[in-house]
Amino acid sequence: DSGVTQTPKHLITATGQRVTLRCSPRSGDLSVYWYQQSLDQGLQFLIQYYNGEERAKGNILERFSAQQFPDLHSELNLSSLELGDSALYFCASSVGSEQETQYFGPGTRLLVL
Amino acid sequence: GENVEQHPSTLSVQEGDSAVIKCTYSDSASNYFPWYKQELGKRPQLIIDIRSNVGEKKDQRIAVTLNKTAKHFSLHITETQPEDSAVYFCAALTGTASKLTFGTGTRLQVTL
Repeated sequence: DSGVTQTPKHLITATGQRVTLRCSPRSGDLSVYWYQQSLDQGLQFLIQYYNGEERAKGNILERFSAQQFPDLHSELNLSSLELGDSALYFCASSVGSEQETQYFGPGTRLLVL
Repeated sequence: GENVEQHPSTLSVQEGDSAVIKCTYSDSASNYFPWYKQELGKRPQLIIDIRSNVGEKKDQRIAVTLNKTAKHFSLHITETQPEDSAVYFCAALTGTASKLTFGTGTRLQVTL
């Protein structure tokens, strides 16, 4: 157990819908990262937040957004869902914002039908 | 941006043999290289990492080597066991950004 928690574990929804994934970092960690893992794209970095502020952005679609709250938990919002958004979404956390070891949560499996 | 290539994509070894997985990276500014093990449907789990000021690091049966000149790093698992069977990912982290760029993974199967 890494100490990073994610909810829900599984999510099934329809195309066009919107969902919210939630992540709580390890105690003491200030950075949260979101990754998408699909069969054909591997593990792709989406976005990083550090202490409530966006710190780095990767291949995140405009239909996706994230935020980190004062209690340091983070939410990833996925809207106008498409079949291709079906994937495992992982959250990771680290103590600081740079060159830090990242610990992954258990992931949310999203299936868009 | 950073690009990480990983080989081989699949690797089958007999129990007790060694396994080696190799990665190359493109950005010479990359300075942190973790390795993750992922079992089917589970989270990537950090097994070892190395920073650019070190050439080699070992933890029991697992070791990682880094060649900065060649922009190449490798994972070595000795005395493999069936529970080592999983997908292994290498990754590189560049400069002050904290986004990890992952390799495409190596599916390791340890047979009895």
